[in-house]
Amino acid sequence: NAGVTQTPKFQVLKTGQSMTLQCAQDMNHNSMYWYRQDPGMGLRLIYYSASEGTTDKGEVPNGYNVSRLNKREFSLRLESAAPSQTSVYFCASSGGLAGGGYTQYFGPGTRLTVL
Amino acid sequence: EDQVTQSPEALRLQEGESSSLNCSYTVSGLRGLFWYRQDPGKGPEFLFTLYSAGEEKEKERLKATLTKKESFLHITAPKPEDSATYLCVVNNAGNMLTFGGGTRLMVKP
Repeated sequence: NAGVTQTPKFQVLKTGQSMTLQCAQDMNHNSMYWYRQDPGMGLRLIYYSASEGTTDKGEVPNGYNVSRLNKREFSLRLESAAPSQTSVYFCASSGGLAGGGYTQYFGPGTRLTVL
Repeated sequence: EDQVTQSPEALRLQEGESSSLNCSYTVSGLRGLFWYRQDPGKGPEFLFTLYSAGEEKEKERLKATLTKKESFLHITAPKPEDSATYLCVVNNAGNMLTFGGGTRLMVKP
């Protein structure tokens, strides 16, 4: 099992450009999450999907959109990138309420720089 | 509001020098307390889940314990490869996580 995979690993954007971060899990988990990690701030939840077909805002959703494409895949889109979105982005998954497992497993991260 | 405070922020140990990392928490309905290890440039790696006060879990040189207000991660005879940032995370009744700021552990040979 690959666990949680993310693409790309690194990305540099110019202000105003758009991009989509991809995440996939092969653990048959119901819930998926997007976090950002900034120095001195810890991990903060951007959006989550408790189950296929649902998405909800987390702590810092402004400037982002998400799509739960199917049970395996959860993408994060930046429509118009800003320098404040320079960060490391992590995707995670868990069994969730339906699956009975609350432990979240994280992907390797995407390092995004917005110039 | 849920809160998780980890101490110390940074800890330097000599190889073989045992110590403990502290995690103090307040949470509305604890559904689990997790410990993760994070190496530079990588995602958090799951170590332990603790669900109720008095519970203990062990893995190699690491042992996690839980009380109603705190969790400790005990490191026995650490090796340089144990150097990493250790994250304490709580899951509340709404299935949302609150992360601590982490303890950066450095083990010198």
